[in-house]
Amino acid sequence: AQSVTQLDSQVPVFEEAPVELRCNYSSSVSVYLFWYVQYPNQGLQLLLKYLSGSTLVKGINGFEAEFNKSQTSFHLRKPSVHISDTAEYFCAVSVAGGYNKLIFGAGTRLAVHP
Amino acid sequence: NAGVTQTPKFQVLKTGQSMTLQCAQDMNHNSMYWYRQDPGMGLRLIYYSASEGTTDKGEVPNGYNVSRLNKREFSLRLESAAPSQTSVYFCASVGQQETQYFGPGTRLLVL
Repeated sequence: AQSVTQLDSQVPVFEEAPVELRCNYSSSVSVYLFWYVQYPNQGLQLLLKYLSGSTLVKGINGFEAEFNKSQTSFHLRKPSVHISDTAEYFCAVSVAGGYNKLIFGAGTRLAVHP
Repeated sequence: NAGVTQTPKFQVLKTGQSMTLQCAQDMNHNSMYWYRQDPGMGLRLIYYSASEGTTDKGEVPNGYNVSRLNKREFSLRLESAAPSQTSVYFCASVGQQETQYFGPGTRLLVL
């Protein structure tokens, strides 16, 4: 079975500072990895995904993530955050070639302060 | 092109009442999912439908039933609501390259 651990439940950061949201996964088979963002009172929106190929993945809104197979990690980074990045971020995993079932982490609440 | 729509947006039920949450997508996707979101637990899969006419249990199916009415619509039914079912419910459909598209959610309070 697959599992996802988001290592920080809350991350406070100042505007224009860099940020990293950490995600580790566990799986005995090949996986696909995703980051989703949820703004207050909204559904989830895909930020970026890793299916195969280059381990550095770029997404929307200036976010990027790096797939590290040896460390089973998929950390999300942004070099300079904005107030508008305040949201909850979810890391998710699915079995490669499976029925697309996503296993979500518990989420990380990013709070950007002026 | 509305994407994934859900109704209702909000609902308050008394223990033991029943209700159906509706979900529809206009993207011609085969797979559709129902999740519940609870604080500190992320999203958990209730049921999914890999294609029209098929449904399967997810991680937390107890107390729920689903119907894949056609390719567009996937409904979730609570036959006898319990306070433990107070949650935010999200429907999603799966497009190309494994991307899931989420609806805006239904906020349910069971008293």
